Amino acid sequence: NAGVMQNPRHLVRRRGQEARLRCSPMKGHSHVYWYRQLPEEGLKFMVYLQKENIIDESGMPKERFSAEFPKEGPSILRIQQVVRGDSAAYFCASSPGQRSTDTQYFGPGTRLTVL
Amino acid sequence: AQSVTQLGSHVSVSEGALVLLRCNYSSSVPPYLFWYVQYPNQGLQLLLKYTSAATLVKGINGFEAEFKKSETSFHLTKPSAHMSDAAEYFCAVTLTDKLIFGTGTRLQVFP
Repeated sequence: NAGVMQNPRHLVRRRGQEARLRCSPMKGHSHVYWYRQLPEEGLKFMVYLQKENIIDESGMPKERFSAEFPKEGPSILRIQQVVRGDSAAYFCASSPGQRSTDTQYFGPGTRLTVL
Repeated sequence: AQSVTQLGSHVSVSEGALVLLRCNYSSSVPPYLFWYVQYPNQGLQLLLKYTSAATLVKGINGFEAEFKKSETSFHLTKPSAHMSDAAEYFCAVTLTDKLIFGTGTRLQVFP
């Protein structure tokens, strides 16, 4: 009964490089959410996806960030040309449905460090 | 727009003492409310959630929270703290899909 899986757990990039973060939802879950946690802050919503569709990207920065959840394979959060301010923990969550009462189950996170 | 405010970024209690972590919400309609716990370098684990059924919600590890509409509050309590309760606790609100989190309260438990 595997939970939400994220990899890598730790990622180090130099400024200007690309970062790819992967998230495999719990079995049977088709709804994926990405959140970002900056140091000493709470989690901030970034994007909500269902298979092959972006449902809500109101929290995504306008540039350099993109997300996908293909029909097959994990969800990917991609950050192009990373800057120091992108250093944060990125959490993925999944849920079985889209109702507000559905619990979101969180992965262990990917900690991105930009040098 | 919904939001949550967690009063007190740090709370310290002695082992065996009452734990009280405060959360106030702002919402134009009754929201759904959640408490999550985060242990160091780990993801978030759901403690409990309020979904408009019973106002007193019991969760895991002996925690409970009471939804008080008149006070727009959803405070988290535990009668007797354990050392293993030391962690960061987040209150969250939602009306649609995304969770809106508070800034968190770090709980320290002293022997």
